[in-house]
Amino acid sequence: RKEVEQDPGPFNVPEGATVAFNCTYSNSASQSFFWYRQDCRKEPKLLMSVYSSGNEDGRFTAQLNRASQYISLLIRDSKLSDSATYLCVVERGSQGNLIFGKGTKLSVKP
Amino acid sequence: DAMVIQNPRYQVTQFGKPVTLSCSQTLNHNVMYWYQQKSSQAPKLLFHYYDKDFNNEADTPDNFQSRRPNTSFCFLDIRSPGLGDAAMYLCATSGGTEAFFGQGTRLTVV
Repeated sequence: RKEVEQDPGPFNVPEGATVAFNCTYSNSASQSFFWYRQDCRKEPKLLMSVYSSGNEDGRFTAQLNRASQYISLLIRDSKLSDSATYLCVVERGSQGNLIFGKGTKLSVKP
Repeated sequence: DAMVIQNPRYQVTQFGKPVTLSCSQTLNHNVMYWYQQKSSQAPKLLFHYYDKDFNNEADTPDNFQSRRPNTSFCFLDIRSPGLGDAAMYLCATSGGTEAFFGQGTRLTVV
């Protein structure tokens, strides 16, 4: 089983749609969780950290369920500029090993 | 303004000819990572440094080595590049929360 698994995608949605990405992780000792965004041929950039209480940043909402080892990202009112690959990232252990999921490609169409 | 700088952006090397990729940071972060990313795949952690402590992933080939002479610089040495080593190599740093990535070095092996 891979350490971090994501929905394979791709997700093709119209502008204004709500889209949800899911991610599971295998190491119950994992400490920190993140969603990164990666545009084509660019480096990954942090979208948001994920907290047990859930957190929201504008149109983006992230949730963590430690019991189920499950992370989610919800994007509301999708924009064309949201088109990118979304990477689920889990910090393994206390010394900062960041392990990436394969990513889910989102394409928002007019 | 770039905080994590990778040089060069593009590197062409011959099959079997040693090559070194470099990374520098202005953030004074104690953790530095090297990732390999192939087309349509997740960034794969090769190794990371926590200060001077080197942490190698179990499945990183011996062909890949790294040096961190000081806090600011980190190098990736590929001793005998093969065609399968062609990829984007991403350097990242972390001070305990999010990771900051450089723009990557795209390696071509001919």
